[in-house]
Amino acid sequence: GAVVSQHPSWVICKSGTSVKIECRSLDFQATTMFWYRQFPKQSLMLMATSNEGSKATYEQGVEKDKFLINHASLTLSTLTVTSAHPEDSSFYICSARPGQAAYSPLHFGNGTRLTVT
Amino acid sequence: DQQVKQNSPSLSVQEGRISILNCDYTNSMFDYFLWYKKYPAEGPTFLISISSIKDKNEDGRFTVFLNKSAKHLSLHIVPSQPGDSAVYFCAAGISSGSARQLTFGSGTQLTVLP
Repeated sequence: GAVVSQHPSWVICKSGTSVKIECRSLDFQATTMFWYRQFPKQSLMLMATSNEGSKATYEQGVEKDKFLINHASLTLSTLTVTSAHPEDSSFYICSARPGQAAYSPLHFGNGTRLTVT
Repeated sequence: DQQVKQNSPSLSVQEGRISILNCDYTNSMFDYFLWYKKYPAEGPTFLISISSIKDKNEDGRFTVFLNKSAKHLSLHIVPSQPGDSAVYFCAAGISSGSARQLTFGSGTQLTVLP
């Protein structure tokens, strides 16, 4: 089946530094990828839609200058958390849709646990 | 404004019995619905979906029922197995949307007791 790979699976960084998370579609091309964030025992909240070759679309309340998204190719999207702070600690998950059919499901990466100290 | 709601944060079921997970939605534009299973520290795994033109979809032990008039869907797992213990998220989407992102419920922790 379709595979979405996310790296790293976990990262610990100091406050003020930046962290890059990669999301790759391994066996399909994805013109659109989605970045979600999950707080403990809460739902998956859509942060932004990453569009290959154009600017990402951010959800309301998500700072685009803090969460930089780059979708440079049809198989790679990156999320960079800039000047990270402890409140940015969370579980970040990317997803992509391998098929073009209207009802084709999203496939998710395994997520990245970010801890900012 | 929660457009997709899972009102039961947890559910415990005996092995071999039926598990029923419920989900309600408010946006009448949603026309397809999905269930995902999630283990800790992993991404969600797609389980089963249903489009709004159907009221039931079955795949092995998993059946999803959709009641459009009530804006309600449910996932039935029968028989339940200990390996089914996980958090289950329902999700909804609009197939004609430009990006076709999904909106997720808050999840239900299912525990299947041996």
